[in-house]
Amino acid sequence: SYILTQPPSVSVAPGKTARITCGGNNIGSKSVHWYQQKPGQAPVLVIYYDNDRPSGIPERFSGSKSGNTATLTISRVEAGDEADYYCQVCDTSNDHWVFGGGTKLTVL
Amino acid sequence: QVHLQESGPGLVKPSGTLSLTCTVSGASISSDNWWTWVRQSPGKGLEWIGEIFHSGRTNYNASLKSRVSMSVDKSESQFSLRLTSVTAADTAIYFCARVSVPGGELPPPIDYWGQGALVTVSS
Repeated sequence: SYILTQPPSVSVAPGKTARITCGGNNIGSKSVHWYQQKPGQAPVLVIYYDNDRPSGIPERFSGSKSGNTATLTISRVEAGDEADYYCQVCDTSNDHWVFGGGTKLTVL
Repeated sequence: QVHLQESGPGLVKPSGTLSLTCTVSGASISSDNWWTWVRQSPGKGLEWIGEIFHSGRTNYNASLKSRVSMSVDKSESQFSLRLTSVTAADTAIYFCARVSVPGGELPPPIDYWGQGALVTVSS
């Protein structure tokens, strides 16, 4: 089965840039979605189709891909960005959705 | 505004069957969306369980396929999850959600989620 690998945690100071990676074999050929989940809440879509932002998501959130890694970048990090972030792709070999293990973003 | 609400027993005995229903409002369950279930064990990450289309077509996570079934009730604007032979490992928050309509050939994201329902497996 397809596996997505995320770092368990990322820490960043307010105002700085956070980069959360998502590694997967041949991920460049797949469409990556990113979700933000705050404690006690349902996930919220923050990036879809690699680098599109839903309405209401700040421009500070962006996505990219290079090689076998997708990256969620959060610029000018704010305290309110502290949350767990999950990447998601569809394994088109069996049409199964796969989530990464999640990354806890801590704002110092 | 699209709203999804999970309902069902919060406590299930080991070896029993977990049953949850998701009620959809603000959108038609007969639209071109797939409807999905995702779970999250306490303190853990997200796990995709499966999805269903209004026609009844389903797609299940292979790791759960032998124990999972989903159904749709269009008259009630609901879709449901059944998970049999549960163990403590099935204790989790269960989210129902809507997969957005694809704009092309790329698999679309989940755009709306329910608030989640905690199901505990314990005697």
